[in-house]
Parts: sequence; structure tokens; C-alpha cells
Amino acid sequence: IAGITQAPTSQILAAGRRMTLRCTQDMRHNAMYWYRQDLGLGLRLIHYSNTAGTTGKGEVPDGYSVSRANTDDFPLTLASAVPSQTSVYFCASSKSNRGPGELFFGEGSRLTVL
Amino acid sequence: GQNIDQPTEMTATEGAIVQINCTYQTSGFNGLFWYQQHAGEAPTFLSYNVLDGLEEKGRFSSFLSRSKGYSYLLLKELQMKDSASYLCAVMDSNYQLIWGAGTKLIIKP
Repeated sequence: IAGITQAPTSQILAAGRRMTLRCTQDMRHNAMYWYRQDLGLGLRLIHYSNTAGTTGKGEVPDGYSVSRANTDDFPLTLASAVPSQTSVYFCASSKSNRGPGELFFGEGSRLTVL
Repeated sequence: GQNIDQPTEMTATEGAIVQINCTYQTSGFNGLFWYQQHAGEAPTFLSYNVLDGLEEKGRFSSFLSRSKGYSYLLLKELQMKDSASYLCAVMDSNYQLIWGAGTKLIIKP
């Protein structure tokens, strides 16, 4: 593993189903983030974690949950997917936990909810 | 509210120079970032400005004026591989990143 790995890269999901997007980093970065990217909009922060064991809500947290049991992993869960959650999801990390310095992004997970 | 404005799309010619502007209104300021994002790929870091002035890095330069709430990214000697979206982001007083929608740059031969 080099950098940030996300899985799956692409998924089609029926509405109402539960889905977990996985994110793993090997850079020992303190801070990790989940963003969604939609056409015509800037990246929007869903949840973040400044250090293992802590999480916080971003701009659009509703319908999503996260956990940070250790430094490397930061999974994002959709408890009951809805079509408005169709998006490209990016996991990112940064060295600093006092606000994001340079962000390193995973390759993204394209999610379609039908 | 907080706002980042960038042009939606720009077109330029291979070998030329292009300037992508970004204006911002945020609650406080702790720096401005530019990222490059090729279609279907992840954003990658280009530059960070926290003080006024020009930062040069090879063919790319980034300028900041905090008093005007304004930045630009200057790309010189354009190459076809520079076709991408360029994202402007500002870190506010709470160290949260506010992102613009991005500028899609199309390079023509």
C-alpha cells in the first residue's frame, strides 16, 4: 500500500441498503477526512477525524457515520442509502491535526444509489 | 456565508499562458490552496499561499492578495497534460477548508 487506498472504486447500490466505504492510509497521518464531490459543487466535507479515537461532523454529515479505531483506517458508512447520496466519495489525510495542511487523496469511490 | 468563486471553464492554447482566478469571502483566513484534478482522478496538491505575493514553482505560480480576497494560478508553457480541473480552497478561522467548484481548463493544440 502506498498513500491512501479506497474500496470499492465503484458500486451500484439499491436504496435502503447499508454500505461501507473503506479507507486506509500508510503515511501515519493524524487527520483523515471524507468528502463528496458532485458536479458543479465544490468538495463537501462529510466527517473528519483529527486523531485516532476522535471524529467530527463536517458540512454534510446526515445519513453518514464514521469511526477511527486506529490511525490507518477511516471507514464511512451509509446506514440506509438514498439516491441523493449518489456521488464520488474521496477519502483524504493530512499530517497536521490542527486543520488540514496539504491533503493527500485516495482515488475515489463512485457510488450510485438506485 | 462563506463563498469561493472561480470561472467554470476556460480554454487556452498549447504553449500559451493562462491565469485562473479565485475570489473568496470566508470567516477568517489561514491560507489558500490550489489543487489539480484530472478527469476521473483524485485532486493533487499544487500550491499553498498564506502571505501576500507570488509563489513560483516551475511552470506554475500562485498569487495571493488577502486584502482583496483574491488569488490566481498562473500556468505557463501550457501542455496538453495540463487539461484538468483546478480547485481553489481557503482555510477559514476554524481551520476548515472551503472549496470552490473548480475551473475546468481545456487545452487546444
